[in-house]
Order: sequence, then structure tokens, then C-alpha cells
Amino acid sequence: DAKTTQPNSMESNEEEPVHLPCNHSTISGTDYIHWYRQLPSQGPEYVIHGLTSNVNNRMASLAIAEDRKSSTLILHRATLRDAAVYYCILRDVYMEYGNKLVFGAGTILRVKS
Amino acid sequence: GAGVSQSPSNKVTEKGKDVELRCDPISGHTALYWYRQSLGQGLEFLIYFQGNSAPDKSGLPSDRFSAERTGGSVSTLTIQRTQQEDSAVYLCASSPEAMNTEAFFGQGTRLTVV
Repeated sequence: DAKTTQPNSMESNEEEPVHLPCNHSTISGTDYIHWYRQLPSQGPEYVIHGLTSNVNNRMASLAIAEDRKSSTLILHRATLRDAAVYYCILRDVYMEYGNKLVFGAGTILRVKS
Repeated sequence: GAGVSQSPSNKVTEKGKDVELRCDPISGHTALYWYRQSLGQGLEFLIYFQGNSAPDKSGLPSDRFSAERTGGSVSTLTIQRTQQEDSAVYLCASSPEAMNTEAFFGQGTRLTVV
């Protein structure tokens, strides 16, 4: 399985943008990049995913490097509610058996008011 | 529509007893996952069901753990002869298909073994 590397923790001020990095130097051509987050005392929730092009949705933006060896999740204006553990996960669309969703340690995001 | 439903939400059991945890996935979702999260730790993959294929059991920590999914819908995770180290939140998730679709998580079952 292709692995991802994320910083253990990051801190942001409320109302400011947050850039959460993820390194995946061994990514394969058929790996999609998925992001989930887990708010305190809740199950994880999907944030965004992409393959090559940058992606935007109501929650966040995903910027993918041209060589795809890294990506950045962008929260445009952090709120206190965005304090969570953020997980970057690779999923190979062509794995014969389908692909299980495996979480790493993630990045703990703290948001200061 | 309802999300992923897990029951019970909390379970306290005595060491050595068997427990069953239930997961009702979103209707029509073919993929179902079980995870375990000990206090302050990350999510540990346990087992994955996809349609009628044989489940991926590679994450089950011991033969005391088993899971089944009946009729491609409801799933039950069974832990036999529970130990204190089994205390954790057990999370279930489902998705419409295995590949590149959003997985939806339940709120989990908090298991405490005393």
C-alpha cells in the first residue's frame, strides 16, 4: 500500500486559511488522494478527494502537486469547528479486490480564537 | 435518509463474556468497514466487506474477533471472551461501492470491558 506522511499537529488562528500538507512520494498512477477528518468524539467524515487536478467543494480545496508526490488540503477560513484530526489517504481504484480505507495517524489541527 | 446506525451506543461487559455489536449501513451501500479506536489512538482497520466477495479480514487482531454481514446489509461484529484491552470505540462505515466514493461513518459503539 502506498503510504502518506503528515505532520503530527498544526495550529491556526480562527478566520485564517489553513494549509495541511501530505506527502505521498510512492503514489501510483491509479491512486486517488482522499481526505477525511475526525471531530472530537465523532466518527470520521469525508472532506474531499482528487486524482490529478485541483478540486474544490463546500468544505475545502485540494491542491495536488504536478508530480502528484504531495498534496495540500486548504481550509479557506478556519473556524473553531474545524479543529479535528485530518487524514490523508491513498486509494487505488484498480485494486482487484476493491480497496479498504486505511487511516494513518493524521494531523491534529488546533484552531485558536 | 438515515445514516449508518450502530447499536448499542455504549456497552459495558465483564471480562470473559461475548459481545455483539451491530451496524446498519446506508441502504444500497455495498461496501462495509469495521474499525476500532482505542482512547487517544488512531483508527485501526478490522474487516471490510464488499458485495458478495469474501471479506478482507486482515485487520482482525485475534481469532476472538469475527464479523458477518447478512444479506449484504446488516453486519455484526462479535468479540468472544472479551479482554480489557478490547475496550475501545468500534466504528462502522459504509459506501456505495469500494472505489473512490465517500465512506459514511456511524457514531460508534463504546465498549468497556471491566
